[in-house]
Amino acid sequence: GAVVSQHPSWVICKSGTSVKIECRSLDFQATTMFWYRQFPKQSLMLMATSNEGSKATYEQGVEKDKFLINHASLTLSTLTVTSAHPEDSSFYICSADLRDSNEQFFGPGTRLTVL
Amino acid sequence: QKEVEQNSGPLSVPEGAIASLNCTYSDRGSQSFFWYRQYSGKSPELIMSIYSNGDKEDGRFTAQLNKASQYVSLLIRDSQPSDSATYLCAVNLVYGQNFVFGPGTRLSVLP
Repeated sequence: GAVVSQHPSWVICKSGTSVKIECRSLDFQATTMFWYRQFPKQSLMLMATSNEGSKATYEQGVEKDKFLINHASLTLSTLTVTSAHPEDSSFYICSADLRDSNEQFFGPGTRLTVL
Repeated sequence: QKEVEQNSGPLSVPEGAIASLNCTYSDRGSQSFFWYRQYSGKSPELIMSIYSNGDKEDGRFTAQLNKASQYVSLLIRDSQPSDSATYLCAVNLVYGQNFVFGPGTRLSVLP
């Protein structure tokens, strides 16, 4: 149980385009999902906390107009990187909170490369 | 002061030895503590969670928590080369809210 999927697993896009990443909890309902970014050889950086049916809470320094988060259902959250630039190239990972156990389970991650 | 601190390593141990990974946290009100393992290029995988003082054992892994010292550790017995990874300590201040991750300790188990 507690499986989280992400799609796509990797994406290459041109500078200026937008990229949507999906995060799904496959066998449980997640009222809260988290989006992280990880640059090479660095730790996870929390970008935002996403609650079903409400606006995401963004961490300081993360542009909410650039990283659009939608959590439309208890099993799906999406992150859209708008007008992507090479500096947005990173490993984006979502996690979902298994409410009764207070444990977070991570998706496999999406590697974004912006040319 | 960083909220969650770990020695970045690398920590090298011979196969079969005990690997000891340490983590300290700054917020005394922290409630929940987690250890994740992350292989290169992969996402983190939950190994252990611990909520109360003392030891918690799961197979070759033992988590130790000392809230008075604001310290949590992970012991890996009979270390295997497949245990070579980065180990992330995570702390949760409020139940149901986001975790704070440490920078991770890179462990290398030498055959």
